[in-house]
Amino acid sequence: SAVISQKPSRDICQRGTSLTIQCQVDSQVTMMFWYRQQPGQSLTLIATANQGSEATYESGFVIDKFPISRPNLTFSTLTVSNMSPEDSSIYLCSVGFGLHEQYFGPGTRLTVT
Amino acid sequence: DQQVKQNSPSLSVQEGRISILNCDYTNSMFDYFLWYKKYPAEGPTFLISISSIKDKNEDGRFTVFLNKSAKHLSLHIVPSQPGDSAVYFCAASANTGNQFYFGTGTSLTVIP
Repeated sequence: SAVISQKPSRDICQRGTSLTIQCQVDSQVTMMFWYRQQPGQSLTLIATANQGSEATYESGFVIDKFPISRPNLTFSTLTVSNMSPEDSSIYLCSVGFGLHEQYFGPGTRLTVT
Repeated sequence: DQQVKQNSPSLSVQEGRISILNCDYTNSMFDYFLWYKKYPAEGPTFLISISSIKDKNEDGRFTVFLNKSAKHLSLHIVPSQPGDSAVYFCAASANTGNQFYFGTGTSLTVIP
C-alpha cells in the first residue's frame, strides 16, 4: 500500500480562475491517476499521469482544461483551468500497484462560485 | 453510459443484522470486481475484491458474491456494526487492470 496526501483538502474558487491540486505519495509508484466525483455521481477517471511524458486523458477530458504534471515517481499535479460551477467536485488522485490494485488519496473538495 | 450501477443510494440496517449491498454491471469484459468504503472527507479505501473465476470471496465479516450470468455482485456484512456506516462503491475492471469503472455508491447507516 501507500500513503497518499493531497493539497489543498478543499477550496472555494471564483469562476474563471484556475486551481492546481498536488498529490504526494510516500513511495515511488509507476501508475498515478486522477479522478473526479461530481455530486451524486460515481468516480470518473480523468487521466493517467505518466512520468516523463504527457498524461493519457479519458474521453470527455482534455489537456487544456485539466493539465497534469508528473515530474517524478512520487508527485503529480492536476490543474482545473478556467473553472465554472460545473467543475465543483471532489478530485482524487490514486496510485496503482500492478493489476487491479489502486489506493486513493483523501481528495480535494472544490467549490466554484 | 454507466457500466457499473448501484441502484440503492442508501440503506439502513440495525446493528448486528446483515447488510447487503448490490451492484450490477453491463460489460461482459469485466473480470475483476472490488468494493471500496468511503468515510466523509476521506478517500475510498479498498475493502474486498473478487476475480471472475470465483463466485465468492470472504474476509472476516465481509463476503462478496459474484453472479456472472446475471452480471451482478453483492457485498454482505455480517454482523453489521455502527463503524460500518459509510458510502460503499463497487468497481469493475477488465483484464488490462488500469481502468476502474465505479458505481455511484450506496450510503450505509448501521443503527445502534
